[in-house]
Amino acid sequence: AQSVSQHNHHVILSEAASLELGCNYSYGGTVNLFWYVQYPGQHLQLLLKYFSGDPLVKGIKGFEAEFIKSKFSFNLRKPSVQWSDTAEYFCAVNERGADGLTFGKGTHLIIQP
Amino acid sequence: GAGVSQSPSNKVTEKGKDVELRCDPISGHTALYWYRQSLGQGLEFLIYFQGNSAPDKSGLPSDRFSAERTGGSVSTLTIQRTQQEDSAVYLCASSFDPSSGNTIYFGEGSWLTVV
Repeated sequence: AQSVSQHNHHVILSEAASLELGCNYSYGGTVNLFWYVQYPGQHLQLLLKYFSGDPLVKGIKGFEAEFIKSKFSFNLRKPSVQWSDTAEYFCAVNERGADGLTFGKGTHLIIQP
Repeated sequence: GAGVSQSPSNKVTEKGKDVELRCDPISGHTALYWYRQSLGQGLEFLIYFQGNSAPDKSGLPSDRFSAERTGGSVSTLTIQRTQQEDSAVYLCASSFDPSSGNTIYFGEGSWLTVV
């Protein structure tokens, strides 16, 4: 069965620090990759997604992620975080041609002002 | 409405009682999902509907859990004889054809507390 691993369960950073959240998946076939974000008290929303083409994907609010097929990774990055980035971040993977998403356990990001 | 709508937003129930959680997906979305999010845990897949049929029920944690979808739209998740470990946020999501990688949109969730 496919699995998604997010290695950092809790991350605390200061404002303006750079961010990288790791995500690895187990499936060896063709995949669609997603990062979802859940701000405090709000519902899950899409941050960015990769289907094909340029492996460096840019999303909302200055976030980007790079798909490295050889490493089965889709790490999320932001050069300079803001206090408003405090949220729970979930990586998710969909097998191309299959249904549903498999989610990682999430990373709770806290940005200190 | 424009988004996925779930009700109730909050539910406190006594252990052993049955609960029903409702999801109204985005109009036109054929795929509907139920996930569970427990404190400190990730998102746990429960069940997936394509139209009215449920090709994947593999995530339902026990036979106390069931779900149905009628008219290819509204879905109800039913938990019978609730237990304290059922306390979680139950999230519903919907999308167009998921195999094409269409974005899945989530509702705000139904917070269930079993006391």
